[in-house]
Amino acid sequence: DIQMTQSPSSVSASVGDRVTITCRASQGIANWLAWYQQKPGKAPNLLIYAASSLQSGVPSRFSGSGSGTDFTLTISSLQPEDFATYYCQQANSLPLTFGGGTKVKIK
Amino acid sequence: QVQLVQSGAEVKKPGASVQVSCKASGNPLTGYYMHWLRQAPGQGLEWMGIINPSGDSTSYAQKFQGRVTMTRDTSTNTVYMHLSSLRSEDTAVYYCARASSHYYYYMDVWGKGTTVTVSS
Repeated sequence: DIQMTQSPSSVSASVGDRVTITCRASQGIANWLAWYQQKPGKAPNLLIYAASSLQSGVPSRFSGSGSGTDFTLTISSLQPEDFATYYCQQANSLPLTFGGGTKVKIK
Repeated sequence: QVQLVQSGAEVKKPGASVQVSCKASGNPLTGYYMHWLRQAPGQGLEWMGIINPSGDSTSYAQKFQGRVTMTRDTSTNTVYMHLSSLRSEDTAVYYCARASSHYYYYMDVWGKGTTVTVSS
């Protein structure tokens, strides 16, 4: 199975800050990577697929980059509604696996 | 806009089985793969398996092999996840999710989740 490792596990930031979350795969996955946002008590929401493609309806302040084993999710200017937990997911092969999550908290 | 409506919360005893349903409203699930995932309290997301559009092919995570069965009824736009031999570690929120049209290993529409509690 492909292991996905996210860092940091949590980050404290203020509205307007730039936030970057990283995700590393245990083996190369080309660009087969997605990012999801999850708010407490809610289902996850797809933000980014194919490492850098923005899902329809997702604000452009979210962006993704990377290929191979190293990936990043960037929120260019943090908004109040962005405080949530973010997960990366590899889509290279079954079983699909997720990172452990990064909680973005209010500073 | 499609919505996935999942069945209600369940409380089961160890050793029992549970079936969770997921019905699409708004638009049919015709042609879409469907995923099932779960999330234990305070934990991350865990993928359980996938079922193809016609319902005649499934793939399950090794961890659940032998205990999980995913089926679908195309006439009612409903998919099902059956998990047997429940243990306390199966206590979680179970989600169905539609595979994205961009690629079937991404998930772009999710149900609200079904809480399954396993307790004696």
